[in-house]
Amino acid sequence: GENVEQHPSTLSVQEGDSAVIKCTYSDSASNYFPWYKQELGKGPQLIIDIRSNVGEKKDQRIAVTLNKTAKHFSLHITETQPEDSAVYFCAALTGANNLFFGTGTRLTVIP
Amino acid sequence: NAGVTQTPKFQVLKTGQSMTLQCAQDMNHNSMYWYRQDPGMGLRLIYYSASEGTTDKGEVPNGYNVSRLNKREFSLRLESAAPSQTSVYFCASCSGTGANEKLFFGSGTQLSVL
Repeated sequence: GENVEQHPSTLSVQEGDSAVIKCTYSDSASNYFPWYKQELGKGPQLIIDIRSNVGEKKDQRIAVTLNKTAKHFSLHITETQPEDSAVYFCAALTGANNLFFGTGTRLTVIP
Repeated sequence: NAGVTQTPKFQVLKTGQSMTLQCAQDMNHNSMYWYRQDPGMGLRLIYYSASEGTTDKGEVPNGYNVSRLNKREFSLRLESAAPSQTSVYFCASCSGTGANEKLFFGSGTQLSVL
């Protein structure tokens, strides 16, 4: 089955700096890659997603890049703010329509 | 429009007890899911229902049963709880039929089995 690895597990940045979280996947047939943000005591919330026919997608301060050849994708958050502090999960949807999640990254933005 | 509502928010069980976690969505979504979240392991799929009247096993179904009561409601039952089932449980839904995309999650149920 699919194996999604996510790094780093924790990340601390100064407010205003950029944050980058990276994920790799093993199933070359995976075709959809969402990112979820989970705030304390809440369920995960979809913040951005990308399909395998696109290399990059941007939504205001967040962007996702995908390298199909290397089988990795990344989340980029620019001009970080304290409200960006949360746990972020990547995921990959396989060709068999199974969604596998990474183990999460706890991002702390220091004011 | 409440989205996905889960009850209860917290529960403590003794080993061997049974309980049902309730989930309801008001977005007219076709697909519903139950995940468990454990430290360092991300989210793992227990069971899902691609449409009303169907249910299928996910990655970690052992020890659980589900019921898709109607389009809105999808319950998860632990018949004989074990300490290994201590976890945070999340229900989710999406509009597609078994699409697994753009999931909406509830706020979770924190379950402890002693």
